[in-house]
Amino acid sequence: DAGVIQSPRHEVTEMGQEVTLRCKPISGHNSLFWYRQTMMRGLELLIYFNNNVPIDDSGMPEDRFSAKMPNASFSTLKIQPSEPRDSAVYFCASSRQGGNTGELFFGEGSRLTVL
Amino acid sequence: GENVEQHPSTLSVQEGDSAVIKCTYSDSASNYFPWYKQELGKRPQLIIDIRSNVGEKKDQRIAVTLNKTAKHFSLHITETQPEDSAVYFCAARNNNDMRFGAGTRLTVKP
Repeated sequence: DAGVIQSPRHEVTEMGQEVTLRCKPISGHNSLFWYRQTMMRGLELLIYFNNNVPIDDSGMPEDRFSAKMPNASFSTLKIQPSEPRDSAVYFCASSRQGGNTGELFFGEGSRLTVL
Repeated sequence: GENVEQHPSTLSVQEGDSAVIKCTYSDSASNYFPWYKQELGKRPQLIIDIRSNVGEKKDQRIAVTLNKTAKHFSLHITETQPEDSAVYFCAARNNNDMRFGAGTRLTVKP
């Protein structure tokens, strides 16, 4: 398996523009997570899905952020409109569902810079 | 929700010495505790994990201990090498909610 695949790897955009980040989880994994990483706040859980259903989006910072998972092999994280404080590395991770299985596999991340 | 605290935030050791990183968690229902290593510009990768029915686990130079009563767990790296330099994250998982500590930047000086 190619692992968790994220795109784009890097994005530079201007304030006010819409940003869409994409993720393809590992085949067979039914849990998907979006994290944001910054120096100040570390790895923050934004939202996670089980079987394509959003379970907890309490980490989504505000209404400008939205995430979808239309099927088991694809998820998007959208920021509209983007702001400079959204600049961060956004990681997608997937795992098999269940507390006893555990391991999260991370994608390589999408580095977002909002000017 | 789960809250994970990690200490220290930075740690510098001489090559060959041991390094210890400690974490506490708040949700007594958490049952899976992984440790991830993140090198500069790379993704976090699992190095060792422990489940709640185990008190200690070892894999070569790294070991993890878990005290469920006190709700804390620790990572121990022995005989450190320069390539151990990275940021290390602890995490706690309850069913599907995985929360991470703030990270420890470990520097191993040759």
